[in-house]
Amino acid sequence: AQSVTQLGSHVSVSEGALVLLRCNYSSSVPPYLFWYVQYPNQGLQLLLKYTTGATLVKGINGFEAEFKKSETSFHLTKPSAHMSDAAEYFCAVSDSGLSGGSNYKLTFGKGTLLTVNP
Amino acid sequence: NAGVTQTPKFQVLKTGQSMTLQCAQDMNHNSMYWYRQDPGMGLRLIYYSASEGTTDKGEVPNGYNVSRLNKREFSLRLESAAPSQTSVYFCASSEQTGGAWEQYFGPGTRLTVT
Repeated sequence: AQSVTQLGSHVSVSEGALVLLRCNYSSSVPPYLFWYVQYPNQGLQLLLKYTTGATLVKGINGFEAEFKKSETSFHLTKPSAHMSDAAEYFCAVSDSGLSGGSNYKLTFGKGTLLTVNP
Repeated sequence: NAGVTQTPKFQVLKTGQSMTLQCAQDMNHNSMYWYRQDPGMGLRLIYYSASEGTTDKGEVPNGYNVSRLNKREFSLRLESAAPSQTSVYFCASSEQTGGAWEQYFGPGTRLTVT
């Protein structure tokens, strides 16, 4: 079984400040990890994903995340927040399938609402 | 490409009424999913279809049924709506990219049951 914990249901930053959204996962098998963004009244869009290889992954809109196996974390960062980054962000985990399991299902965290103040 | 489309966008039902939420994708994806989103709960999987002709229960299937009509379409049916089913419903489809299944989401259906 897999689970995701997003620390902080609401994060508020000033425009130009660092964005840090925290995600910890639990998985008994090697995981694949994802960050999705949801703008108001829209569906979810993929920001970035980690599968294998380089543990620092870059996504769209200047976001990046680092997979840290020892800490079971996949935190999302952006050096400088922009007003357009205001949205809800979801971390998700799937089975990698490398141990024989199926990997087409995602388990989502509860989400973190990012507010950007002018 | 339209991606994933959902109809209707909004719906208000009375308790006990039935309805079907429609979802279609034009990306030739094999897998499709139905989620519900409630405040503070994230997205919870209701049902999924790994491929045409198969459907399986997710985390919260009670009160729902699904039909994978063909490769493009995956519908969700509420037989007897209850206020607890007031939610935003998202359909998604997925393809395998670099080993991982990336999910693409529709715009959602906002359902209110009174």
